[in-house]
Amino acid sequence: RKEVEQDPGPFNVPEGATVAFNCTYSNSASQSFFWYRQDCRKEPKLLMSVYSSGNEDGRFTAQLNRASQYISLLIRDSKLSDSATYLCVVIPTGGFKTIFGAGTRLFVKA
Amino acid sequence: DAGVTQSPTHLIKTRGQHVTLRCSPISGHKSVSWYQQVLGQGPQFIFQYYEKEERGRGNFPDRFSARQFPNYSSELNVNALLLGDSALYLCASSPGLAGVNTGELFFGEGSRLTVL
Repeated sequence: RKEVEQDPGPFNVPEGATVAFNCTYSNSASQSFFWYRQDCRKEPKLLMSVYSSGNEDGRFTAQLNRASQYISLLIRDSKLSDSATYLCVVIPTGGFKTIFGAGTRLFVKA
Repeated sequence: DAGVTQSPTHLIKTRGQHVTLRCSPISGHKSVSWYQQVLGQGPQFIFQYYEKEERGRGNFPDRFSARQFPNYSSELNVNALLLGDSALYLCASSPGLAGVNTGELFFGEGSRLTVL
């Protein structure tokens, strides 16, 4: 079983739609969680951290469910510029490994 | 301010050769980590260095090695190249406050290695 699993998609949505991605992780002792965004043939960039209480940044909302070992990303009012691959990232407790999921591809169409 | 810089950007090698990839972190960042990204997959963790010491290693064979220099720049070395080593190699720097892995990574544009 992979340490971090994501639905690869692609998710094809129209502009203005709301879309949600989930990511599951296998190590219950994981301490930190993030979403990164990677545009085609570009480097990954930090989108947002994920906190147990949930957090929001504009149109983006991230949630963590420790009991079920998954994190989620909700994008509201999708824009064409949101088209990218969204990478789920987990850091195990006490470790210096940074574990990336394989990514979920999103295409937003006019 | 300059971001993370990597060199070379592209290179082609043949099986059995070795390669050295270089990374300069953002000024003030003391932690550097290396990742291998194969097309269609997420980055796979190779190494993390903080203050010139290896702090973490991923599931890669001993053919992969790295080091960090006093100026916090880093090199990734891969010996006895295999076809399967063809990938984008990403370097990321982070502040590394007190050696803690905060997960806030700033990536370079990567070095694309093709092994023939």
